[in-house]
Amino acid sequence: GAVVSQHPSRVICKSGTSVKIECRSLDFQATTMFWYRQFPKKSLMLMATSNEGSKATYEQGVEKDKFLINHASLTLSTLTVTSAHPEDSSFYICSATRQGASYEQYFGPGTRLTVT
Amino acid sequence: QKEVEQDPGPLSVPEGAIVSLNCTYSNSAFQYFMWYRQYSRKGPELLMYTYSSGNKEDGRFTAQVDKSSKYISLFIRDSQPSDSATYLCAMTDFGNEKLTFGTGTRLTIIP
Repeated sequence: GAVVSQHPSRVICKSGTSVKIECRSLDFQATTMFWYRQFPKKSLMLMATSNEGSKATYEQGVEKDKFLINHASLTLSTLTVTSAHPEDSSFYICSATRQGASYEQYFGPGTRLTVT
Repeated sequence: QKEVEQDPGPLSVPEGAIVSLNCTYSNSAFQYFMWYRQYSRKGPELLMYTYSSGNKEDGRFTAQVDKSSKYISLFIRDSQPSDSATYLCAMTDFGNEKLTFGTGTRLTIIP
């Protein structure tokens, strides 16, 4: 149990376009979902926390108009990188927690975004 | 000073050896401690979850927490090449869903 999927696993887009990344909890209802960014050989940087039906809470320094998060249901959250630029190229990973185990985060496999 | 310190390695050990991975932390409020394993270009996988001080064993893995010293460890017995990965410690305090991560230790098990 506690499987989280992400789609797509890899995406290449041109500068100025927008990209949507989906995060799904496959076998449980996620009370909270998190979005992280990870640079090569670096640890995870939390971008935002989202709960179903609520606005996401962004970490300091993360532009909420650039990284749009929608948490439409208890099993789906999306991250849209708007007007992407090469500096947005990174590995984006989501995680989810389930009811009654809010300290255990289960991560998706990640999405590699490359902006050309 | 970072809230969580973790030796980035790299750490290389021969197959079959016992591996010890460690993290220290400064926030005495932390009560929940986790170890994640991350293979290259993949998301982290939850290995061990421990509440407060003590030991927890799961197969070849043992997690130890010493809150008095603010020190946590992950031991891997009979290490295998498939254990080669980056290991991240993570922790949080009561009522806080956000995790504070260590920087990760890159481990290589040499056949």
